Amino acid sequence: GNSVTQMEGPVTLSEEAFLTINCTYTATGYPSLFWYVQYPGEGLQLLLKATKADDKGSNKGFEATYRKETTSFHLEKGSVQVSDSAVYFCALSVGDKLIFGTGTRLQVFP
Amino acid sequence: ETGVTQTPRHLVMGMTNKKSLKCEQHLGHNAMYWYKQSAKKPLELMFVYNFKEQTENNSVPSRFSPECPNSSHLFLHLHTLQPEDSALYLCASSQGTVADYRTDTQYFGPGTRLTVL
Repeated sequence: GNSVTQMEGPVTLSEEAFLTINCTYTATGYPSLFWYVQYPGEGLQLLLKATKADDKGSNKGFEATYRKETTSFHLEKGSVQVSDSAVYFCALSVGDKLIFGTGTRLQVFP
Repeated sequence: ETGVTQTPRHLVMGMTNKKSLKCEQHLGHNAMYWYKQSAKKPLELMFVYNFKEQTENNSVPSRFSPECPNSSHLFLHLHTLQPEDSALYLCASSQGTVADYRTDTQYFGPGTRLTVL
């Protein structure tokens, strides 16, 4: 079946630290991969996506590369800010369904 | 208004009440979705509509009843809910089946925080 596994949170970092949030997936077929972010009290916002192997999605300093050989789509940012504090969801789509991981909470302190 | 809007943002109801959640999208999309977000659980897809036709009912109890009168509006009618139905209910929209699913992206509303007493 199709599933997404994310690292448990919370991830706690100081401002300007390097961020990695791990995401691995299991899928039949050829999924597209997504990272969504949920700020406190809000809905999910698309952060970035990749539609085929070796694609790199990027937005607002965040990056993730679709690695088919390791079935991974890890989220990275070189220097986090306090405003990046949120919950990050990795997701895959096959057909018209989005399948989400459980989310990883990121807390960034000044 | 732009994007996907949801009303109300917060709702408290008793188990015998009947209420409705509303979602409206201003993106010209053809597909709309209801999700349930509970604490410490992955988002659960509840219903999918493509061109106003329901294409997915993910084993949702009948106390949740969706309605999609047109491609821009989606409702979730609630009746005789249970306390375990308390959650954040998220609506999303996307281009739908006319698009290549690889590039079809779902856009979410802010959600309705539902509390069932």
